[in-house]
Amino acid sequence: DAGITQSPRYKITETGRQVTLMCHQTWSHSYMFWYRQDLGHGLRLIYYSAAADITDKGEVPDGYVVSRSKTENFPLTLESATRSQTSVYFCASRGSSLNTEAFFGQGTRLTVV
Amino acid sequence: AQSVTQPDIHITVSEGASLELRCNYSYGATPYLFWYVQSPGQGLQLLLKYFSGDTLVQGIKGFEAEFKRSQSSFNLRKPSVHWSDAAEYFCAVAAGSNDYKLSFGAGTTVTVRA
Repeated sequence: DAGITQSPRYKITETGRQVTLMCHQTWSHSYMFWYRQDLGHGLRLIYYSAAADITDKGEVPDGYVVSRSKTENFPLTLESATRSQTSVYFCASRGSSLNTEAFFGQGTRLTVV
Repeated sequence: AQSVTQPDIHITVSEGASLELRCNYSYGATPYLFWYVQSPGQGLQLLLKYFSGDTLVQGIKGFEAEFKRSQSSFNLRKPSVHWSDAAEYFCAVAAGSNDYKLSFGAGTTVTVRA
């Protein structure tokens, strides 16, 4: 199916474990983004990418790692999960023109215990 | 760097009444502006966007927004709200040029009372 999909939708992990959130889009969009959504903070940008093998830090990158070996995939890894990383994570993609909208996945609710 | 401010954290409105959500941005040039809506437990859906031209833009679900350069604002309006409009609304800005990231405001939660 066309679109942007995130997996898993829900994840519970323990403090200190490594966890990877997956994001896949079928439009061949150049730009991809990872946001976290927390009450009172809206959506804060973690990392973003302009193309395969090009990534940049956003507002809150500490504790996260991304890669983009293929245009369609943009996984987000928490190297050693902490309770403060409990959040809802959204992946988004948009085309190469700046006047195009971003499309969002359904989100991954991550709980770190 | 661009920033977006949504001054109202929570708004309660009666069904059938008008709604206005405020958004202010900070950026030197004219940015690309968006309004998104998020229903509970869902992802974000685009309501409308502004890039250039007519400063009053129409969106889906009966929403409209007006860009005012002098006030650095992009307020969202709906003349008559429906119970289904209860959601969280986000204003977003893309600065343009070489800065392609999309930055969001903190959001405004809208409650609709019968």
